[in-house]
Amino acid sequence: QKEVEQNSGPLSVPEGAIASLNCTYSDRGSQSFFWYRQYSGKSPELIMFIYSNGDKEDGRFTAQLNKASQYVSLLIRDSQPSDSATYLCAVNFGNQGGSEKLVFGKGTKLTVNP
Amino acid sequence: EPEVTQTPSHQVTQMGQEVILRCVPISNHLYFYWYRQILGQKVEFLVSFYNNEISEKSEIFDDQFSVERPDGSNFTLKIRSTKLEDSAMYFCASSEGRAAFFGQGTRLTVV
Repeated sequence: QKEVEQNSGPLSVPEGAIASLNCTYSDRGSQSFFWYRQYSGKSPELIMFIYSNGDKEDGRFTAQLNKASQYVSLLIRDSQPSDSATYLCAVNFGNQGGSEKLVFGKGTKLTVNP
Repeated sequence: EPEVTQTPSHQVTQMGQEVILRCVPISNHLYFYWYRQILGQKVEFLVSFYNNEISEKSEIFDDQFSVERPDGSNFTLKIRSTKLEDSAMYFCASSEGRAAFFGQGTRLTVV
């Protein structure tokens, strides 16, 4: 069974703090990993993707990947109330290294308090 | 900014009827996908499509589902005989090979 696990939260942080979101996955052979943000009633919006072990930074967001531990995380620095949303971890279980078969976690609901 | 567009935004249909959900992927993208999200549940993969054929599909994507790229711009999902449990938000997505970008979704309600 190919699974992606996330803490459902809710996670609540004050404005300006760092929010840390975590995800584990079951398939050691997975090659591509994605973080999406989903506002209530809306579609998933891509935040960033990561393919290699280590950190990848994009503005206030940092994705971290540890393939040996089958663990991927997202850090949001200087959290803003507009970051309040559900964050979805998605792992590609296809065999071509792109997005051909994304399995999503249930999502972590983040609330940033002003 | 290019985006994936889906029509209609909301479709209500009677059980047993056929529905076609339509999508216009981002123009230079070659990979196309359908996902669904039942209210309150996780986003679920249905099918991926590349080079005019299905490249991956899930257990959900059974014989009542089909996909088609009828022309150079549209990508459709057909559900032949809808069931109550098909009620969900259906998302189309497209990719140029890496990350998938999602449309705004079609809410399908089967009554």
